[in-house]
Amino acid sequence: EAGVAQSPRYKIIEKRQSVAFWCNPISGHATLYWYQQILGQGPKLLIQFQNNGVVDDSQLPKDRFSAERLKGVDSTLKIQPAKLEDSAVYLCASSLGRTDNQPQHFGDGTRLSIL
Amino acid sequence: GESVGLHLPTLSVQEGDNSIINCAYSNSASDYFIWYKQESGKGPQFIIDIRSNMDKRQGQRVTVLLNKTVKHLSLQIAATQPGDSAVYFCAEKAAGNKLTFGGGTRVLVKP
Repeated sequence: EAGVAQSPRYKIIEKRQSVAFWCNPISGHATLYWYQQILGQGPKLLIQFQNNGVVDDSQLPKDRFSAERLKGVDSTLKIQPAKLEDSAVYLCASSLGRTDNQPQHFGDGTRLSIL
Repeated sequence: GESVGLHLPTLSVQEGDNSIINCAYSNSASDYFIWYKQESGKGPQFIIDIRSNMDKRQGQRVTVLLNKTVKHLSLQIAATQPGDSAVYFCAEKAAGNKLTFGGGTRVLVKP
C-alpha cells in the first residue's frame, strides 16, 4: 500500500513570499490532516478535512494560511505571505475516517525555511 | 506532555536491553492513544495504539501500558536495536479524531 505522498520535500523562500504544499493521501482515506512541526516539538494540527469538507481549522492562522481539498482526495496548503516563524516541517496525514479511533498515517513532510 | 523546545528528554539504552518511554497526558476525556516513532527527516510512523477501555496492548517487541487514574502512558520496547534510535511521541485523542501530541523523547541505542 502506497503511503502518504507530499511535495516538495524542501522549500526555501524569503519572508513575505508565498508557498504551496501538496499532499496525496493513502487511497481510500476519507480524512486528511495538515500539521505544523517546529524543530524539537510534536506536530500541531492546522486543519482537518473529512472528504472535501473542513472538520476543524481552529488552529489555522487564517490571515495567511489556506488549505483546500476540492475533490476529496489531494490537498494543498498555502502560506501567503510567509513569516520567519513559519519555518517548520509541514506534515500531511490521512486516516480511514469511517469511525473514530483510527490511526493517522503521515507523509515525510515538506521542510520550509524562511530567510 | 509539554514541549521542551530543542532540548528533548533523552533515553540512552544499551543494545539488547529493554526501553521504557513515559508520557503524561492532559485530558481525562481522551479515549484513544497512539505512539509514533520519528526518524530524522521522516514523518511520524505509527507504532501501536490503545483505546481507553484497555490498560495494556502488545505488538511486535512493543507493549503500551495505560494508567487512566494518573493519566500516564508508557511504551516498552523489548531487546532494543540500533534501528530503534529515533524520537518517540505519544498522542492523545478526545473528540473527532483530533490528536494532541506530546513533546517527544529521544531514544539513543548504544552498541
